[in-house]
Amino acid sequence: EDQVTQSPEALRLQEGESSSLNCSYTVSGLRGLFWYRQDPGKGPEFLFTLYSAGEEKEKERLKATLTKKESFLHITAPKPEDSATYLCAVPFSGGYNKLIFGAGTRLAVHP
Amino acid sequence: NAGVTQTPKFQVLKTGQSMTLQCAQDMNHNSMYWYRQDPGMGLRLIYYSASEGTTDKGEVPNGYNVSRLNKREFSLRLESAAPSQTSVYFCASKRGLAGLTDTQYFGPGTRLTVL
Repeated sequence: EDQVTQSPEALRLQEGESSSLNCSYTVSGLRGLFWYRQDPGKGPEFLFTLYSAGEEKEKERLKATLTKKESFLHITAPKPEDSATYLCAVPFSGGYNKLIFGAGTRLAVHP
Repeated sequence: NAGVTQTPKFQVLKTGQSMTLQCAQDMNHNSMYWYRQDPGMGLRLIYYSASEGTTDKGEVPNGYNVSRLNKREFSLRLESAAPSQTSVYFCASKRGLAGLTDTQYFGPGTRLTVL
């Protein structure tokens, strides 16, 4: 069964305290993995797409990495404005059109 | 470019009432999607339209219908609302290139409460 699991469910960090969020997936034939950021009361905002194991993408304090079974979103020296829910998603097995989403990690960064 | 727009932003219905959620995109995308988001469950796909003139069921289609009105617009209808349909609804679109998992872009959402 296709599944995406994110951990932890919630994470509280002090400003400047680096950490990582995990996204593990069970789909056959990975055709891409997406990371989104979602602020309260808003729609998901696209961050990264990773297509193959070993690939890395960076944007400001965020770096996403991908292996054959999981992806990590590393947050270096976070600031309070990085507080949000981070979602990952992968296409269902056998297709390109539909995504399955994880439940997300709620990140709170305190000054 | 406004991207993906949704109306209304908020709606309260009574059980049994009907309503249509509207979605429009101005990015000339081929594919459009409707999701619902419930606490602790992430985004779940209700229906999608891979291209103008086609629609397909997602993970949770029961109780909903959709219409791809034209390339820009994709509406979601609740014929007889139930409390279990209380949720936040998101519309998304993507270019829909053949053989490629391209990025979906999301609207701001509609918060629906069914009493």
